[in-house]
Amino acid sequence: AQTVTQSQPEMSVQEAETVTLSCTYDTSENNYYLFWYKQPPSRQMILVIRQEAYKQQNATENRFSVNFQKAAKSFSLKISDSQLGDTAMYFCAFMYNAGNMLTFGGGTRLMVKP
Amino acid sequence: EADIYQTPRYLVIGTGKKITLECSQTMGHDKMYWYQQDPGMELHLIHYSYGVNSTEKGDLSSESTVSRIRTEHFPLTLESARPSHTSQYLCASSEHNPGGGYTFGSGTRLTVV
Repeated sequence: AQTVTQSQPEMSVQEAETVTLSCTYDTSENNYYLFWYKQPPSRQMILVIRQEAYKQQNATENRFSVNFQKAAKSFSLKISDSQLGDTAMYFCAFMYNAGNMLTFGGGTRLMVKP
Repeated sequence: EADIYQTPRYLVIGTGKKITLECSQTMGHDKMYWYQQDPGMELHLIHYSYGVNSTEKGDLSSESTVSRIRTEHFPLTLESARPSHTSQYLCASSEHNPGGGYTFGSGTRLTVV
């Protein structure tokens, strides 16, 4: 079975600075998808960014980008120009191409400080 | 606007009561899921459905049951609530194609006293 590991339970960053959240996963599959989800306090979980494993180019969505290292099975999230609204739990998730079942990491709590 | 709705948002109920957590989506998604989120925020899949009349148990054993009589509706029922059921319950849905990710509801925070 696949596993997803987020080694940083909590992180903090000053407003306007850059922070990187780590995620590693374990799989024997070659085709899969990776995701980062954001869960603000008492609010809905939303999709931040996703990456298809067969694409070498790292995904980017405005201030959010990923560093996808397939051989190392690493999928980190970089948040540039951090804003107070980025304060949230961030979950890394993995999905087999054929399975459509998400496996989540344990989450990283990010605090953006003014 | 297409979305996924969970009610109630918060619920405090006494031990032994029967409760149903509602989940509805307007996106026409085939697949729906229930997750239990513990105080440490980790997510555990407890039920999923691939379509009408399809329900399966997830990775985490749960005393709850689900039904899928209509595509848009995926309610979760606890026949006799216990304090150990206190948790946040998240409903999600996805398209048939893999890779699109899930759309989540706002969750129901259940407290059993």
